[in-house]
Amino acid sequence: EVQLVESGGGLVKPGGSLRLSCAASGFTFSSYSMNWVRQAPGKGLEWVSSISSSSSYIYYADSVKGRFTISRDNAKNSLYLQMNSLRAEDTAVYYCARDQGKNIVATSDYWGQGTLVTVSS
Amino acid sequence: DIQMTQSPSSLSASVGDRVTITCRASQSISSYLNWYQQKPGKAPKLLIYAASSLQSGVPSRFSGSGSGTDFTLTISSLQPEDFATYYCQQSYSTLEAFGQGTKLEIK
Repeated sequence: EVQLVESGGGLVKPGGSLRLSCAASGFTFSSYSMNWVRQAPGKGLEWVSSISSSSSYIYYADSVKGRFTISRDNAKNSLYLQMNSLRAEDTAVYYCARDQGKNIVATSDYWGQGTLVTVSS
Repeated sequence: DIQMTQSPSSLSASVGDRVTITCRASQSISSYLNWYQQKPGKAPKLLIYAASSLQSGVPSRFSGSGSGTDFTLTISSLQPEDFATYYCQQSYSTLEAFGQGTKLEIK
């Protein structure tokens, strides 16, 4: 069974940093691209970032480019999102999602339960 | 960037109804269109990918159609568990974009 479990969310002050993790199991992690998608309270879904299976291709939404860094450790079956210079508008539930392809095909077929990030003073 | 626009934003329907949700892209995306279902407090679930392919395990009452800029998600006979919010998402560009969502409510 595919499982994705996010962790690392919490309350952080504006300008602060946070690192999210996503532990994957039930599939060959190194064979799939991965995505981060977020959802602000009461709002719709917003794609944040994608990383290909070998980390060769990485993409970011304009809203987070230069502040967030996606990475993965295939030996540890883990995906990460380093978030710096956080703003109030980054407050959201952050979902880790498996992409359907080895190379990014931008289709998330399995999702974690999400972790809440709150940016507030 | 490609913009995705869904209509309607909300919809009231009854169990057994046939329901159609529309998604329009700001430019042609061929058949690179996905549909997701999200229930309150839960993660999204992939229903349809590549415009018309049913994800494994999804009931056959869900179907998708369209290509180019205009797409539809159809639920042939609404069941109680189908009341949720539905999102389209283009997969043509790696700069993924979701529609704003359609909330399907019980009439």
